[in-house]
Amino acid sequence: KQEVTQIPAALSVPEGENLVLNCSFTDSAIYNLQWFRQDPGKGLTSLLLIQSSQREQTSGRLNASLDKSSGRSTLYIAASQPGDSATYLCAVKAAGNKLTFGGGTRVLVKP
Amino acid sequence: ETGVTQTPRHLVMGMTNKKSLKCEQHLGHNAMYWYKQSAKKPLELMFVYSLEERVENNSVPSRFSPECPNSSHLFLHLHTLQPEDSALYLCASSLTTVTSTDTQYFGPGTRLTVL
Repeated sequence: KQEVTQIPAALSVPEGENLVLNCSFTDSAIYNLQWFRQDPGKGLTSLLLIQSSQREQTSGRLNASLDKSSGRSTLYIAASQPGDSATYLCAVKAAGNKLTFGGGTRVLVKP
Repeated sequence: ETGVTQTPRHLVMGMTNKKSLKCEQHLGHNAMYWYKQSAKKPLELMFVYSLEERVENNSVPSRFSPECPNSSHLFLHLHTLQPEDSALYLCASSLTTVTSTDTQYFGPGTRLTVL
């Protein structure tokens, strides 16, 4: 059974610092890995999707890497801003478009 | 705002009540999903529908009954719930269930409290 773990569970940084969020998964037989953002009381917004054959994806200040063999992904957010404060979730996709989510990392960027 | 809407946004119900959650997607997708997000637990998949047929039931108790009358609408009928069923219920949709590049688009969720 696939298990996804995110460390740390919570993170607080001053504005301008780079953020590093970690995700690990137990079964490397995945189709892809996604990073989502969730604001309080709201649904999930997809940030980046990395196919299993890819090593990384970039979008603006966000960069996500994937090491499928070791079961790890890292989300980097450069030059953090208070608006980046949210919970970040990673999810891996297996057969049937089934997503398995990690517990999330709650991020607070202090002005 | 995404193309997936959910109503109501908040719901408080007693254990003997019957209520329904509604999800609607305006994206032309063929697959829809129900997820449960409890405090201190990862997001859990409950049901998957593809072209109005249920293709996944993730060991969900029968007090939760899904319905998908067409590819744009998904309901979750609730009856005789327990306090531990209190959670954020999220609906999502995707173009298909089989393509590895499909992204799931999520609604804002319904915050359910069972008294």
